[in-house]
Amino acid sequence: EDQVTQSPEALRLQEGESSSLNCSYTVSGLRGLFWYRQDPGKGPEFLFTLYSAGEEKEKERLKATLTKKESFLHITAPKPEDSATYLCAVLKPRDDKIIFGKGTRLHILP
Amino acid sequence: DGGITQSPKYLFRKEGQNVTLSCEQNLNHDAMYWYRQDPGQGLRLIYYSQIVNDFQKGDIAEGYSVSREKKESFPLTVTSAQKNPTAFYLCASSIQDRQPQHFGDGTRLSIL
Repeated sequence: EDQVTQSPEALRLQEGESSSLNCSYTVSGLRGLFWYRQDPGKGPEFLFTLYSAGEEKEKERLKATLTKKESFLHITAPKPEDSATYLCAVLKPRDDKIIFGKGTRLHILP
Repeated sequence: DGGITQSPKYLFRKEGQNVTLSCEQNLNHDAMYWYRQDPGQGLRLIYYSQIVNDFQKGDIAEGYSVSREKKESFPLTVTSAQKNPTAFYLCASSIQDRQPQHFGDGTRLSIL
């Protein structure tokens, strides 16, 4: 069964304390992997698309990487405004449906 | 600015009532989607449409209906057959072919 698993479920960091969020998937024949940021009461905001193993994308303090089995979202020197839920989603190989993980709730303490 | 507009932001349903959630996009995207988000769960696909006048059931379509009469609009009706409708509903759209979906800001539906 196609699955997307994110870990940890929740993460509390001090401002400036770098860390990584994990997204592992069992979908074979990956067509694309997406990272989103979601603030409370809002829709997910698109961050990155990764299409092949070894690919990396960066935006400000965020860097997304992809291997054949998982993706990491690295957060460098985070600030309180980086607090949000980060969602990972995988594009299934045989149709255009997306499977979402349950997300990682990130809280950055000032 | 291009984007996806969902309305209303909050909606209340009485027992036995059908309610309709609006979703409009001006991104000229072909595909549109409806998801349901519950606490502690990932987004679950209700219905999707890849072209006007055509749509397909997602993973949890029971108790819901949609229409796609215009490219810009994809309204979702939550019928009285949906016994647990309280959730956060998200509409999304995308250009076809491996492109990311872009989301509206959701409608929170509650039961009176």
